Amino acid sequence: EADIYQTPRYLVIGTGKKITLECSQTMGHDKMYWYQQDPGMELHLIHYSYGVNSTEKGDLSSESTVSRIRTEHFPLTLESARPSHTSQYLCASSEWGRNYGYTFGSGTRLTVV
Amino acid sequence: DQQVKQNSPSLSVQEGRISILNCDYTNSMFDYFLWYKKYPAEGPTFLISISSIKDKNEDGRFTVFLNKSAKHLSLHIVPSQPGDSAVYFCAASEDGNKLVFGAGTILRVKS
Repeated sequence: EADIYQTPRYLVIGTGKKITLECSQTMGHDKMYWYQQDPGMELHLIHYSYGVNSTEKGDLSSESTVSRIRTEHFPLTLESARPSHTSQYLCASSEWGRNYGYTFGSGTRLTVV
Repeated sequence: DQQVKQNSPSLSVQEGRISILNCDYTNSMFDYFLWYKKYPAEGPTFLISISSIKDKNEDGRFTVFLNKSAKHLSLHIVPSQPGDSAVYFCAASEDGNKLVFGAGTILRVKS
């Protein structure tokens, strides 16, 4: 079944550690996105990609980085985690075209202590 | 600058009654609008959408209304069911570009 997968679902990590949040999709979508959401707040776009070797920063400034070496894989990396990075991170993908919505993964709840 | 606003943080409705969730937007260039539903510890799932060339779209118990002049859209759920209890996000896009989301409205349907 076509889907989008995020791992880990939950992560508690110490300040200063390097972390990578994984996101993979099996739908062959060219467009992929990372959103950050705090409780009761909007989903804020932090990174997006429209294809292999294409990445752009989103509307919300983020210290994270992303890569897109394969169509199906869009990992997000924090070189040195801080408590301010504590949030939920949601990965999504979509097809080309004006009227396609996103398919979201289940998210990663990150807590930096 | 919030381009998509959901001014009601929460809504409580009795089972069987109508739920009306509202959304306002400021960018007149938005031409496609979507509603997503999110359960705790899960990602948002697509619910229903509407193009700016329409003013209504219906899918079973869910209907979305768009008032372009007022830059307002609403989601109606009739009849509401306890399983509809979730966070509902309104989203909009311009010319097929990135989706802009509101802050969400928590819907609680009481049985």
